[in-house]
Amino acid sequence: DAGVTQSPTHLIKTRGQQVTLRCSPKSGHDTVSWYQQALGQGPQFIFQYYEEEERQRGNFPDRFSGHQFPNYSSELNVNALLLGDSALYLCASSLVRYGYTFGSGTRLTVV
Amino acid sequence: DQQVKQNSPSLSVQEGRISILNCDYTNSMFDYFLWYKKYPAEGPTFLISISSIKDKNEDGRFTVFLNKSAKHLSLHIVPSQPGDSAVYFCAASAKGQGAQKLVFGQGTRLTINP
Repeated sequence: DAGVTQSPTHLIKTRGQQVTLRCSPKSGHDTVSWYQQALGQGPQFIFQYYEEEERQRGNFPDRFSGHQFPNYSSELNVNALLLGDSALYLCASSLVRYGYTFGSGTRLTVV
Repeated sequence: DQQVKQNSPSLSVQEGRISILNCDYTNSMFDYFLWYKKYPAEGPTFLISISSIKDKNEDGRFTVFLNKSAKHLSLHIVPSQPGDSAVYFCAASAKGQGAQKLVFGQGTRLTINP
């Protein structure tokens, strides 16, 4: 049974560009959350999607947006990239309360 | 404002001994606490959790203790094994949040020496 799958694993973007990261949740999970982990820090909650709607959002600007598809997969979009957006982006899926499964993440480098 | 703090960036323990990782929090609305383990190039993996109605939870070699009055929790690993070498994160969620939004500490890198 595949866990949470994220793509791509690594990418490099230039300041001002836009990026889309993808996540396929663990089989049977219907909720997807996104976290940003800067170097030397713990993951920070970006937002969560359930039933194709954003259920909750952390303290991130509107440049960060997302989407959930009918098959429960999700995308994270970041517009007008800044150097400070360089981080590991983690996707986590869940079905029941507290049952998070994390993917291995996408390492984004903004130059 | 760091609501969950892990003040030790690193910890080194001899194999077979006890590892104790500490975590402090400031938000009194937190009612559920979790510990995650992370290896390089992998996502965090859930280890153990505790609800605020308890003060201790055990699972094999792992025990989590919660001191609500001090807003402090700790993870004990006994005995420590080389495979336990990883970064450990504590996380908390507030009443009513469930799995919707976890607040993580900065992490503690645990190294188990043979």
